[in-house]
Amino acid sequence: AQTVTQSQPEMSVQEAETVTLSCTYDTSESDYYLFWYKQPPSRQMILVIRQEAYKQQNATENRFSVNFQKAAKSFSLKISDSQLGDAAMYFCALILSGANSKLTFGKGITLSVRP
Amino acid sequence: NAGVMQNPRHLVRRRGQEARLRCSPMKGHSHVYWYRQLPEEGLKFMVYLQKENIIDESGMPKERFSAEFPKEGPSILRIQQVVRGDSAAYFCASSSETFWDSEGYGYTFGSGTRLTVV
Repeated sequence: AQTVTQSQPEMSVQEAETVTLSCTYDTSESDYYLFWYKQPPSRQMILVIRQEAYKQQNATENRFSVNFQKAAKSFSLKISDSQLGDAAMYFCALILSGANSKLTFGKGITLSVRP
Repeated sequence: NAGVMQNPRHLVRRRGQEARLRCSPMKGHSHVYWYRQLPEEGLKFMVYLQKENIIDESGMPKERFSAEFPKEGPSILRIQQVVRGDSAAYFCASSSETFWDSEGYGYTFGSGTRLTVV
């Protein structure tokens, strides 16, 4: 079975600053995907960024980047130049690759952005 | 592409009533997943379906909950004799046969149905 742990329930960042959200996971499989999802008050689950486990290069999407440490089973999200619209719940998630299967989510972290 | 459509967006039921939640997958997607989100929690997997088949129901409560994805029409998550503890947001997601489809969509979520049991 897979587990995803987000140990920080809340974080706060000043607008325009950088913040890093932590995530660790556990799986015995070697082939999987990792994701960060954003959930604003509208409740919509928005995919922020994804990382394939077989890729050593860290994924980046504009102001969002990850630090993927496969050996340490760590997958943190860095948000640069934070904006007020970044305020939301952020969930880390894992899915095994090779077949359609279920996502395993962490408990999430609430990010607030101070103007 | 209209994305994954869930309805209703909000549903209020009295204890003992039945709740029916609907999910229409993204165009071209044939795999549907249901998740439940309790307050201040992440999403928990409930069930995975393909057309007319339940593939994995390991996250479904043993009683009162059922799901279907008929040949025609949306997927339905049915909760019979609802109790206060069923109050949650229920999300549906869909994916294509190859997971990442030709337009780059993989696992796509709907906006969820918030069920409140009073």
